[in-house]
Amino acid sequence: QKEVEQNSGPLSVPEGAIASLNCTYSDRGSQSFFWYRQYSGKSPELIMFIYSNGDKEDGRFTAQLNKASQYVSLLIRDSQPSDSATYLCAVNYSQGAQKLVFGQGTRLTINP
Amino acid sequence: EPEVTQTPSHQVTQMGQEVILRCVPISNHLYFYWYRQILGQKVEFLVSFYNNEISEKSEIFDDQFSVERPDGSNFTLKIRSTKLEDSAMYFCASDRGQMDSNQPQHFGDGTRLSIL
Repeated sequence: QKEVEQNSGPLSVPEGAIASLNCTYSDRGSQSFFWYRQYSGKSPELIMFIYSNGDKEDGRFTAQLNKASQYVSLLIRDSQPSDSATYLCAVNYSQGAQKLVFGQGTRLTINP
Repeated sequence: EPEVTQTPSHQVTQMGQEVILRCVPISNHLYFYWYRQILGQKVEFLVSFYNNEISEKSEIFDDQFSVERPDGSNFTLKIRSTKLEDSAMYFCASDRGQMDSNQPQHFGDGTRLSIL
């Protein structure tokens, strides 16, 4: 059974600070890794994706991947109240079609 | 930016009835997916579809479920003889697969299915 684990939170961060979200996965054969943001009642919205070990930066967001530790994280710099949402970690275990296995999500609240 | 579109946004159906959820994937995408999310729970993979056939399906996707691409643009999920536990948000997604690592999976806005 392929698993993706996240701390469900809630994680509370003051505005302007760095929010750090973490995710572990069970299968070393995982191909690619994704962070989605989901507002209540809405669909997952892609934030970042990462395929190789190391860091990948996009604006205020940095994804970090460590395949040896089976660990992926998302850093949000200069957190804004609009960043308050549930952040979903998703892992693709398949070739060809990208079957995503999702974690339960971390609820993030940015306090003004 | 191209989007995955889903209709209807909300579907209310009596238990035992059949429902069809509709999706229009992004036009140059090759792989199509259905996921569901029961209220308060994880997003769960149901099925992937490529080249007019099912690529992979989960344990959830039993004989009650079927998918079809009836024309060049639509992708549908049919649920026969609906049960109360089928109540969930159903998300359609599409991508170009592993061949294009810069085109990850994008989700539609979802259909909220309520079984009464």
